Amino acid sequence: EVQLVESGGGLVQPGGSLRLSCAASGFTFSSFSMNWVRQAPGKGLEWVSYISSSSRTIYYANSVKGRFTISRDNAKNSLYLQMNSLRGEDTAVYYCARVLNSAARNDYWGQGTLVTVSS
Amino acid sequence: QSVLTQPPSASGTPGQRVTISCSGSNSNIGSNTVNWYQQLPGTAPKLLIYTSNQRPSGVPDRFSESRSGTSASLAISGLQSEDEADYYCAAWDDSLNGPVFGGGTKLTVL
Repeated sequence: EVQLVESGGGLVQPGGSLRLSCAASGFTFSSFSMNWVRQAPGKGLEWVSYISSSSRTIYYANSVKGRFTISRDNAKNSLYLQMNSLRGEDTAVYYCARVLNSAARNDYWGQGTLVTVSS
Repeated sequence: QSVLTQPPSASGTPGQRVTISCSGSNSNIGSNTVNWYQQLPGTAPKLLIYTSNQRPSGVPDRFSESRSGTSASLAISGLQSEDEADYYCAAWDDSLNGPVFGGGTKLTVL
């Protein structure tokens, strides 16, 4: 059974940093590209970042470029999102999601981890 | 402001057929496949349907999709109470170099 479990969310002050993790199981993690997608409270979905299976290709949304860094460790079946210079508008539930062929197609999602940026 | 435009709400009675539209541009829907997601209250999104009516295992064929030019539609026939959820369209955008989502449509089953 495919499972994606996010962790690392919490309350952080504006300007602070946080590192999210996503533990994958039930599939060959090293064969799939992955996404981070977020959802602000009561709002819609927003794509954050994409990483290919080999980490060779990485994309970021303009809203996080230069502040967030996506990475993965295929040996540990884990995906990461390092978030720096956090702002109030980064407050959201962050989901990791497995990519199915196209970066806009995510066939499995984690349960999400809440990041709250507030003083 | 989402790159893909969806109506904020839709509704129907049990058994009815409802459609949800998704409008984009040449850089996204006009040149790339469209994917639809269903998000039940308090849960993570779920891939519902994509290119040529491909559905992940477990998704009933009451759900169908279509695309024409820079617009796409999700149709739900034989509406059921468990279909009450938020629905999102998504597509790759060649200009932004990343996936874009619609703002979501809240479907209410009356």
